[in-house]
Amino acid sequence: QKEVEQDPGPLSVPEGAIVSLNCTYSNSAFQYFMWYRQYSRKGPELLMYTYSSGNKEDGRFTAQVDKSSKYISLFIRDSQPSDSATYLCAMSMNRDDKIIFGKGTRLHILP
Amino acid sequence: DAMVIQNPRYQVTQFGKPVTLSCSQTLNHNVMYWYQQKSSQAPKLLFHYYDKDFNNEADTPDNFQSRRPNTSFCFLDIRSPGLGDAAMYLCATRVGGKGEQFFGPGTRLTVL
Repeated sequence: QKEVEQDPGPLSVPEGAIVSLNCTYSNSAFQYFMWYRQYSRKGPELLMYTYSSGNKEDGRFTAQVDKSSKYISLFIRDSQPSDSATYLCAMSMNRDDKIIFGKGTRLHILP
Repeated sequence: DAMVIQNPRYQVTQFGKPVTLSCSQTLNHNVMYWYQQKSSQAPKLLFHYYDKDFNNEADTPDNFQSRRPNTSFCFLDIRSPGLGDAAMYLCATRVGGKGEQFFGPGTRLTVL
């Protein structure tokens, strides 16, 4: 079993819809959870950074962590065509620890 | 405004011909990373510097070397590129003690 599992997609949704992106993981020691957005041929851009379980909201983005289920989610409200990108989940045990990435989910928002 | 800068953005080299990729940062972060990312794959950590301390991942081939002459700059040297080394190379930085990593735009390496 891989440490971090993420459905590669592609996921296509109409503009304005709520998008749900998810990752599961196997290592219960992970405490820090991240979501990165990566446009084609660009470097990853940090969207959300959370610690332990719970929700964090930033504009149209909400990150959710359920450590009991080893499951993290990113919700995008009022999705826009500009949200079309690959979304990578990532996690680490400690702040100074190595980050483990998922393979990314390709998201297409259809105008 | 660019905070993590990578040059060149695109690099073409020949099989076996040494190549150097560069990364610079204006954030004054003390931790710098090099990742390799192949198409539809997760970024793979090659090595990182925590201040001047170099940390190599166990599965990073000897063909890959790195230098960090000062806080702002870090280089990735590929001594004898093979076809399998064609990838996007990403530089990232972080403040020690804080978890967020900030990535540069990447250098796409093509090996002919």
